[in-house]
Amino acid sequence: DTAVSQTPKYLVTQMGNDKSIKCEQNLGHDTMYWYKQDSKKFLKIMFSYNNKELIINETVPNRFSPKSPDKAHLNLHINSLELGDSAVYFCASSQDLTQETQYFGPGTRLLVL
Amino acid sequence: GQSLEQPSEVTAVEGAIVQINCTYQTSGFYGLSWYQQHDGGAPTFLSYNALDGLEETGRFSSFLSRSDSYGYLLLQELQMKDSASYFCAVRDTGGFKTIFGAGTRLFVKA
Repeated sequence: DTAVSQTPKYLVTQMGNDKSIKCEQNLGHDTMYWYKQDSKKFLKIMFSYNNKELIINETVPNRFSPKSPDKAHLNLHINSLELGDSAVYFCASSQDLTQETQYFGPGTRLLVL
Repeated sequence: GQSLEQPSEVTAVEGAIVQINCTYQTSGFYGLSWYQQHDGGAPTFLSYNALDGLEETGRFSSFLSRSDSYGYLLLQELQMKDSASYFCAVRDTGGFKTIFGAGTRLFVKA
């Protein structure tokens, strides 16, 4: 059973398009995150949600809009994609906001042409 | 602000012991975590130190000195499969966010 899953695994698209990435966790965790990992492998938090509520919005352009329909799902919609958005996007979850252990999904490799 | 420093690359031979250091500067501090990431894979949690001292989990150990704002990950009996990137991370006490270091790429040679 996959603990944290993301779809799609790969995404190749043109500049200016809108795309979504979906994330689901079956661990019963309260807290979910989106991270961006660039080509130098630098891992940076974008958003975190706790029980469907936005907790962290880390100065991400408003072209990025997360949505949490329930605490097991956290989706990421990106409008007007730019070349600089090319990266690997990881979803993660933790039991709650205070727990340090985070479980990462397999990642979505986004390439904007 | 928050910052973490760790070496960019370390090379060691199979069977050896390697230590990956991490120094941090934070406005508040809960603890230091370590994650492993293989090429093309996802980060995987390895260990967490909230208190000073050494925590051992199998071949991997992690150490923390809060007074020195320093920690390390110790990998013993290195295996080829340990070749990966290792990230230290700290929790931002104000915002419940985790700040990751830039990662240390470990190469294990035969």
